[in-house]
Amino acid sequence: EVQLVASGGGLVKPGGSLRLSCEVSGFTFSDYAMNWVRQAPGKGLEWVSAISSFSRHIYYADSVKGRFTISRDNAKNSVSLELNSLRAEDTAVYYCVRGIPKWAWGQGTQVSVSS
Amino acid sequence: DIQMTQSPSSLSASVGDRVTITCQASQGISNFLNWYHQKPGKAPNLLIYDASNLETGVPSRFSGSGSGTHFTFTISSLQPEDIGTYYCQKYDTFPFTFGPGTKVNVK
Repeated sequence: EVQLVASGGGLVKPGGSLRLSCEVSGFTFSDYAMNWVRQAPGKGLEWVSAISSFSRHIYYADSVKGRFTISRDNAKNSVSLELNSLRAEDTAVYYCVRGIPKWAWGQGTQVSVSS
Repeated sequence: DIQMTQSPSSLSASVGDRVTITCQASQGISNFLNWYHQKPGKAPNLLIYDASNLETGVPSRFSGSGSGTHFTFTISSLQPEDIGTYYCQKYDTFPFTFGPGTKVNVK
């Protein structure tokens, strides 16, 4: 069974930092690109970042470029997202998502940015 | 960046009705399109990939079609469990933008 378990969310003050992690199982991790997608309260889905299977290619949404950093460890079957210079508008549920060729979603972790 | 639009933004239909949602890309994306269903408080559930392929385990009342810039998602016979929000997502090039969503209610 494919599983993606995200963790690391929490309440942080504006300007603060968090590190989200996603541990996966049930598939060959190094065969897939990985993504992070977020959803603000009551809003739609926003793709945030992606990393290719061996970290050669990395992409970010304009809204997080320069503040967020994606990375992965194929030996540990995990992908991470470091969130810096957090703003109130970064408040969202963050989902870890397996990408092409076979999409799959984890359960999400809540990030709240508030003073 | 390529923009994704969806219509309608919401709809209400009766059990057994045929429901159609459209998704439009501002530029051609070939068939690199997913359709998802999301219920409140839950992660999205993939229904259709590559514009027209039914994901394993998804009921056959769901279907998708289209290529290029215009895509259609259909529920052939709406069921009570189909309420929620439906999203399209492009994945031809980055960013992998989502449509704004279509909220489906049952009358």
